[in-house]
Amino acid sequence: SQQGEEDPQALSIQEGENATMNCSYKTSINNLQWYRQNSGRGLVHLILIRSNEREKHSGRLRVTLDTSKKSSSLLITASRAADTASYFCAPNTGGFKTIFGAGTRLFVKA
Amino acid sequence: EAEVAQSPRYKITEKSQAVAFWCDPISGHATLYWYRQILGQGPELLVQFQDESVVDDSQLPKDRFSAERLKGVDSTLKIQPAELGDSAMYLCASSPRGERKQETQYFGPGTRLLVL
Repeated sequence: SQQGEEDPQALSIQEGENATMNCSYKTSINNLQWYRQNSGRGLVHLILIRSNEREKHSGRLRVTLDTSKKSSSLLITASRAADTASYFCAPNTGGFKTIFGAGTRLFVKA
Repeated sequence: EAEVAQSPRYKITEKSQAVAFWCDPISGHATLYWYRQILGQGPELLVQFQDESVVDDSQLPKDRFSAERLKGVDSTLKIQPAELGDSAMYLCASSPRGERKQETQYFGPGTRLLVL
């Protein structure tokens, strides 16, 4: 089990712009997941990318994974006010525990 | 769509009192997790169950916290006595049987606890 570290800690953009968040981790992984948390709510699973994948899309979300650099990025295109939330990455080594980092707080201004 | 249920959604209590939270995972999910999330931080795993067995409770403050999942379905997390520092969001999550460990977790809405 290991912790992902998200960067930046906070991001403020205008509606319609793209938002990019990064995640770094320390050891080899089986997969990496991204979650979103709206204020005061539970986390929602967004996307899972496996270690043998380099890029994955889901709607306006694009996730990349670079295992040589031990990093991942989450791109939200054409952002909306409803995308305002905290975003967490969760690297999975195949162990029992998921350790969440502090997340990236995204604020999309209408 | 099936969801993880938690109750209560909000709880205000005084320090030294006992408090309990309840979680009902998605039907058929073997793995159940309790997390604590302090404002501005990520969720911290308190305890993980596989069916009715505890898999990991290394971060559970066992002098005051207890968790059970007697029939391998719903679960209760208890704090006794509550302290001011326990004020946080308590999240429950579950994962399906048959998936590899630590694949997608499905979270409930959480219980926000305020200890006065």
